[in-house]
Amino acid sequence: GEDVEQSLFLSVREGDSSVINCTYTDSSSTYLYWYKQEPGAGLQLLTYIFSNMDMKQDQRLTVLLNKKDKHLSLRIADTQTGDSAIYFCAETNTGGFKTIFGAGTRLFVKA
Amino acid sequence: DTAVSQTPKYLVTQMGNDKSIKCEQNLGHDTMYWYKQDSKKFLKIMFSYNNKELIINETVPNRFSPKSPDKAHLNLHINSLELGDSAVYFCASSQESPPRVFGPGTRLTVL
Repeated sequence: GEDVEQSLFLSVREGDSSVINCTYTDSSSTYLYWYKQEPGAGLQLLTYIFSNMDMKQDQRLTVLLNKKDKHLSLRIADTQTGDSAIYFCAETNTGGFKTIFGAGTRLFVKA
Repeated sequence: DTAVSQTPKYLVTQMGNDKSIKCEQNLGHDTMYWYKQDSKKFLKIMFSYNNKELIINETVPNRFSPKSPDKAHLNLHINSLELGDSAVYFCASSQESPPRVFGPGTRLTVL
């Protein structure tokens, strides 16, 4: 079945790098995504990666995909207090209609 | 202008009542979604419509009925509300999967 798992909490100091990890089970996943949810708000799509890519960089964000291990990570360089939020990993299967979300990782950034 | 709007933002009601949540998007997207987020922040797809046609209908009680009068609107009607329906309900839209823009959420509390 489809499942996406993430660790629940991560705490870092301002200026450090944050790495949020995610594992998924559906080998037919074609796209993998990272969303950010700030308190009291809806999710924002941050970035995504196609399953045939290993890495994608977008300013302070780096997404790494290990398809063999079904492992996805999001690295945030120079983490700021404004990055404190819940980060959701998600995947879409080959059918393309259904997006499965992980439980979210709460990132706490200490000043 | 708000891209995806939901009303109401908060809804407090008694068990057994019937209530509706409305969603509108002004992005010209073809696909709209309803998600339920529980108290542990776990996000689950409920329904998805593409051009007013239902394309995803997850295992959701029959008490929940979506209605899409046109492609910019997707409303959610809930009959005979139960305590377990308490959650935050998010509407989202995109041109195609995955959901790209989320609304601010409707916090439903059933007493």
